[in-house]
Amino acid sequence: DVKVTQSSRYLVKRTGEKVFLECVQDMDHENMFWYRQDPGLGLRLIYFSYDVKMKEKGDIPEGYSVSREKKERFSLILESASTNQTSMYLCASSPSGLAKETQYFGPGTRLLVL
Amino acid sequence: GDSVTQMEGPVTLSEEAFLTINCTYTATGYPSLFWYVQYPGEGLQLLLKATKADDKGSNKGFEATYRKETTSFHLEKGSVQVSDSAVYFCALLSNTGNQFYFGTGTSLTVIP
Repeated sequence: DVKVTQSSRYLVKRTGEKVFLECVQDMDHENMFWYRQDPGLGLRLIYFSYDVKMKEKGDIPEGYSVSREKKERFSLILESASTNQTSMYLCASSPSGLAKETQYFGPGTRLLVL
Repeated sequence: GDSVTQMEGPVTLSEEAFLTINCTYTATGYPSLFWYVQYPGEGLQLLLKATKADDKGSNKGFEATYRKETTSFHLEKGSVQVSDSAVYFCALLSNTGNQFYFGTGTSLTVIP
């Protein structure tokens, strides 16, 4: 089974802190994604990556950056956390080619910024 | 741009009731369509998908048919169970790229 793991299930940070959310997948997938999930808004894409050291902005990249130094790991960085970044963060991965249609999600990290 | 609209919840049903969750989409070309399910405390899991018009996706008693004429992909189940309580997301994958577009989610609670 494909497994996508996220470093923390719950995280509490203070305004202005630098926050790292880590995501690791064990199926050698080329594509990795970061979403945030908010009530009434569904999932919104923050950033995605098709390959190592490659990144593309999604719909809401402001206030975030990403890093993909290794194929299996995709990190989301909040340079200076703000209260409006309190949310559930979901990481996903998918293979390339036709199989890219199925995304595999991690369990999520619920971040609270005080 | 591409988008997905699904019925707002929450939806509460009694066990063995019939379930319909409506989903319509806007897209150019021929997207692939999906239903994902999120159980409490977990990430999203693929429930079913359809990649072309008139295809029917099915899994665990759930079904959805890709209707291009009405740009819809409604989720149905004939007899829901308490274990079906979850949030359901409709999604599309544009045929022009790798980006998924998700609906806002519909929360379903099934009571015994």
